[in-house]
Amino acid sequence: GAVVSQHPSRVICKSGTSVKIECRSLDFQATTMFWYRQFPKQSLMLMATSNEGSKATYEQGVEKDKFLINHASLTLSTLTVTSAHPEDSSFYICSATGTSGGAGLETQYFGPGTRLLVL
Amino acid sequence: GEDVEQSLFLSVREGDSSVINCTYTDSSSTYLYWYKQEPGAGLQLLTYIFSNMDMKQDQRLTVLLNKKDKHLSLRIADTQTGDSAIYFCAETLISNFGNEKLTFGTGTRLTIIP
Repeated sequence: GAVVSQHPSRVICKSGTSVKIECRSLDFQATTMFWYRQFPKQSLMLMATSNEGSKATYEQGVEKDKFLINHASLTLSTLTVTSAHPEDSSFYICSATGTSGGAGLETQYFGPGTRLLVL
Repeated sequence: GEDVEQSLFLSVREGDSSVINCTYTDSSSTYLYWYKQEPGAGLQLLTYIFSNMDMKQDQRLTVLLNKKDKHLSLRIADTQTGDSAIYFCAETLISNFGNEKLTFGTGTRLTIIP
């Protein structure tokens, strides 16, 4: 259980275009989803927290107009990178909060990631 | 502060035990986690420990927590080639907006020597 998928797994686009990345919780309902960015050989940096049916909460330094997040249902969140530029090239990972173990711990389950390359 | 630090690299012979260390600065963390990331993939939750525990064992994995020193470790017994990956520790913090969020360490790349 607790599987999170992302689509696409890899995308190459031209500078100035927009790219949409989908994150789905396949076998559980996720009230909260998170979007992370990971540069090569670095740790994950939280970009935003997304609650179903409400506006996303962005971390300091993340441009909300550039990274549009929509969380319209309990199983789907999307991240749109608008007017992408080469410096936006990165590995984008989403996670969804689900319940783990008998203690009812709310744990983040991660998607496989989407590698974005902007030419 | 929200700094979570780890050694960047660890090499271990196959069959030996691996010990990956992590230090954190925020004593209010409720849960601490260990995640595994294989090349080009997302993160896989390995195990977690509640902050009022000092040890947790799960098959080949043993987590030790020293809350006084803010030190967390992950021991992998009988290390196998399939254990080669990057291991991230993470702590749970409450963000400025009231959300629970994970703060990740820098990651430790574990290499298995045949």
